[in-house]
Formats: sequence, C-alpha cells, structure tokens
Amino acid sequence: EVQLVESGGALVQPGGSLRLSCSASGFTFSNYGIHWVRQAPGKGLEYVSTISSNGGSTYYADSVMGRFTISRDNSKNIVYLQMTSLRAEDTAVYYCVRGYNYGRYWGQGTLVTVSS
Amino acid sequence: EIVLTQSPGTLSLSPGERATLSCRASQSVSSSYLAWYQQKSGQAPRLLIYAASSRATGIPDRFSGSGSGTDFTLTISRLEPEDSAVYFCQQSGSSLLWTFGQGTKVEIK
Repeated sequence: EVQLVESGGALVQPGGSLRLSCSASGFTFSNYGIHWVRQAPGKGLEYVSTISSNGGSTYYADSVMGRFTISRDNSKNIVYLQMTSLRAEDTAVYYCVRGYNYGRYWGQGTLVTVSS
Repeated sequence: EIVLTQSPGTLSLSPGERATLSCRASQSVSSSYLAWYQQKSGQAPRLLIYAASSRATGIPDRFSGSGSGTDFTLTISRLEPEDSAVYFCQQSGSSLLWTFGQGTKVEIK
C-alpha cells in the first residue's frame, strides 16, 4: 500500500524557518517524482514545489522561489521541504503528493502556522 | 502561466440529480494533463479523473470527465449524499508546474 506521511509542521514566527518531511513507503521511492501542494485555511489548493525521481530537477512556484528548497534522500525514502523567511501567507496545510502530471497519492498533510 | 477558472462556485442539488462542473483554462491544455479531485471536509484531496476522462481506481462510474482545449467538464450523473465535497481541476504544464482551479463546492440538499 502506498503511504505518504508528512511531518514537521509547527507554529513559527514570521521570518523563521522550518523543515517539513515526507516519508514514503509501499513503492519504489527512487522511481517517482514528488510534489508539495499547500492549502491555506478555508482556501483552495496551491502548488508549491516538485522534485524529480533522482533529485536532479526541481521546480518551484513563484510565491516560494528563493525561500523554499526541496530535496530528497532516496536511501531513506524521504523528501524534505526546507522553508525559510516564512510569512503569514505561508500558513497552510502542506501535502506531499506522488504523481507526474496529476496526484494519484496524497499524504494526510501537516499544518504550518506562521504567526507572532 | 495557465489560469484555471471553475464554475459555478457552489452547486446545491438534491440526491439523484445531475451535477455539471466546469473548468475553463486561459489557454489550451493538453487533455493528457487535466485532472479532477474531490476533497471532503478535513481530508486530503482524492484523485477522481485523470487525462480529462479516465476514472481513477475505485471511482464510481457516476463520475465522468470530458472536454478538450480550454473547456473541461466533470459530471456526476446521479448525486449521492456522500458526494458533498469541493471539487478541483488541475493541469500540469510541460515543466511539471501544476495549477489548480479555485474549486466548486457541491452541496446536497
């Protein structure tokens, strides 16, 4: 069974940093790209970032470019999202998603709250 | 960047009725890269339709997708109470950057 489990969400002050993790199981992790998608409270879905299967290619939404960094450790089956210079508008549930052109498998999400 | 606009914002229908949800793109989208999701309150999104018209595994056949170019439609042929949710369309560009529509809320009377 494919499972994606996010962790690392927390309450953080504006300007702070946080690292999210997405732990994967139930499939050959190194064969798949992984995406992060977020959802602000009561709002729609927003694409955040993508990393290719071998980590060689990464993509970012304009809203997080230069502040967020996606990476992966294929020996541990984990994808990371390092978030810096956090803003109030980054407050959201962050989902990791397995898929290429669409998200077939989603984690349950982890909540990031940016507030003083 | 391709913008996806969904309509209506909210749809309120009775069980057994037909629901038609629209997703319009600001420029042409490959049908291969258009998907629909269902999100119930407090849950992660669930893939319903991919490649515009292919049902994902385990999705009832009352859900169907159609369309091409800039106009895509999700149809729920006979609404069930458990179909109450928000529905999102999503497209993937050649660079794997995804964009989502703003969602359509389906309420069951």
